[in-house]
Formats: sequence, C-alpha cells, structure tokens
Amino acid sequence: GDSVTQMEGPVTLSEEAFLTINCTYTATGYPSLFWYVQYPGEGLQLLLKATKADDKGSNKGFEATYRKETTSFHLEKGSVQVSDSAVYFCALSDQETSGSRLTFGEGTQLTVNP
Amino acid sequence: DARVTQTPRHKVTEMGQEVTMRCQPILGHNTVFWYRQTMMQGLELLAYFRNRAPLDDSGMPKDRFSAEMPDATLATLKIQPSEPRDSAVYFCASGLVLWGRGRRSGANVLTFGAGSRLTVL
Repeated sequence: GDSVTQMEGPVTLSEEAFLTINCTYTATGYPSLFWYVQYPGEGLQLLLKATKADDKGSNKGFEATYRKETTSFHLEKGSVQVSDSAVYFCALSDQETSGSRLTFGEGTQLTVNP
Repeated sequence: DARVTQTPRHKVTEMGQEVTMRCQPILGHNTVFWYRQTMMQGLELLAYFRNRAPLDDSGMPKDRFSAEMPDATLATLKIQPSEPRDSAVYFCASGLVLWGRGRRSGANVLTFGAGSRLTVL
C-alpha cells in the first residue's frame, strides 16, 4: 500500500538557518504530494502541494519539488523564523487508487530558537 | 475563511462511558474524513464519507466506534464504550473532491478542524 517516510525528528535550528526535512514515498499509482503544518493546539493546515512530477510547491518561503525518479518531496526553507516552529507532515493522496484520503508520514517536530 | 468546526475541543471521561464527537464540515464540501492522532501511531484514518455515504471505515474498531453523517452539516464519531487506549486527538477534515475527474485537478486539498482531545481515564 501507499506509505510516506519522513526524516526523524525533532529538528532544532537557530533563526535564519536553512531547513531541510526529507520525505520519501511509496505509491502504486501516481499520487499528489503535500506538506501540512500543525501549530501547537491546532489542526493541520496545508502548507504546499504538487500534483505531478517536477512540480514545485511553494508557500511562505517553503518549497518542495516532486521528484518521481527518487520518489521524494523534501521540504526546504532558506531562512527559518521562530514562528515556523511546528510539526510538519508529508502526505500523499492517490485519487485513482485510494480516493482522496491522505496518507501521512510520522511528522517532524521543528523548533526554531531566537 | 471557511472553517471545519469540531466539538468538544476537550473531553475527559471515564472508561466505559459513551463519547460523541461532532464535526461541521465546510459548506459545499462533499467529502468528510475522521483521523486520529496519537504519539505512538501518528495520524490514522478512521473513516470517510462521500456525499454523506460512508466509503471506508476499515480503520475503525467496529465493535465500539461508529461514524455517521445525519445531514450535510454534521458528522459524528461515537465511541461506546470508551477505553483508555482511545485517548487521542480526533480530527475531522472536509474537502471538495471531484470524484471521477482527472488526478491533477488539485481537488484533493483537505481542511482540518482544530481537533477534539479525548482523555479516557
């Protein structure tokens, strides 16, 4: 079945550092890929998405590129802020094989210190 | 901004009691999902509905969990009887899914509620 694997956390960075959170996936079909973010005490919010190979999703300075050859969708940000501290979830959805249900990775806790 | 509303936000109950969690999806969304989040298991899909009809509830323990959509504005998740291992945060999410359309429609974006934190003692 479909699955998503994220780099283990937690990740602790200083403000303005470069961020990478690795995500790889396994899917039988041709999925759409997502990054969701969860701030403390809140639900998940869509951060960015990509629906086909080589698409780049971007939002709020975050970027991720859909790499079919490496089955990856790594999240990057050039300069993190304290307000980016949250849990980040990589997810996939394959409408053809599983409807629109999202399969999530384990989540990566990010803490940014001033 | 349109929101998915969940109630209650927090619930503490004793083992054996019935618990009902409610969700108001975004008006116009045709698909509703229930997820459970725990430290050990992460995010697990419990059930989901399309146009109020249950599509898949294979993630739910059938003997104690039930999910329904009595109307388009309300989805419920009930646990009876509750057990300590049910302690988790339960999320509802809704989306407008173009079933049968092309996979690149981008319509697979879900909006999540803030969650219901359940503690079973």
